[in-house]
Amino acid sequence: GENVEQHPSTLSVQEGDSAVIKCTYSDSASNYFPWYKQELGKRPQLIIDIRSNVGEKKDQRIAVTLNKTAKHFSLHITETQPEDSAVYFCAASMGNSGYSTLTFGKGTMLLVSP
Amino acid sequence: IAGITQAPTSQILAAGRRMTLRCTQDMRHNAMYWYRQDLGLGLRLIHYSNTAGTTGKGEVPDGYSVSRANTDDFPLTLASAVPSQTSVYFCASSPQPGTEAFFGQGTRLTVV
Repeated sequence: GENVEQHPSTLSVQEGDSAVIKCTYSDSASNYFPWYKQELGKRPQLIIDIRSNVGEKKDQRIAVTLNKTAKHFSLHITETQPEDSAVYFCAASMGNSGYSTLTFGKGTMLLVSP
Repeated sequence: IAGITQAPTSQILAAGRRMTLRCTQDMRHNAMYWYRQDLGLGLRLIHYSNTAGTTGKGEVPDGYSVSRANTDDFPLTLASAVPSQTSVYFCASSPQPGTEAFFGQGTRLTVV
């Protein structure tokens, strides 16, 4: 089955700095890569996703890049703010294949200090 | 309001007791999932259902069972709870298997 590794497990940055979280996956058939943000005591919520037919996707201060050859993808947050503090999860699946499930990384706790 | 709802929100359960966690969605999503979340271990898949009437085992299925009698409901049953099943349980659904998942608010279960 799919295996997703996520690094780092914790990340501390100063407000205004950039943050990068990296994930690798094992199954070359995976083609859907979402990122979830989970605030303390809340449910995970999708913040951005990318499919294998594109290499990069941006949404305001967040972006995701995908390297299918190397089987890794990354989340980039620019101009970080204290409200970005949360746990971030990456995931991978063979999206919409009829039988796929999302496999999650173990998460990265991001702390943005004012 | 469309969404996915879990019940109960939290529960303290004596070891050996049977417990069913409820999950209902009104988005007509085909796929539903149960994950458990433990510190440092992320979200681990317990069971899933790609469509009504079918279920499958995830990464950590032992001690749990599920059913999918209709599109909306996907209950998770612990037949005889053990302390290692203390966790936060999240139900999720997606329009199709392996696509964007929407999570319920979670159930915090403590087995003593």
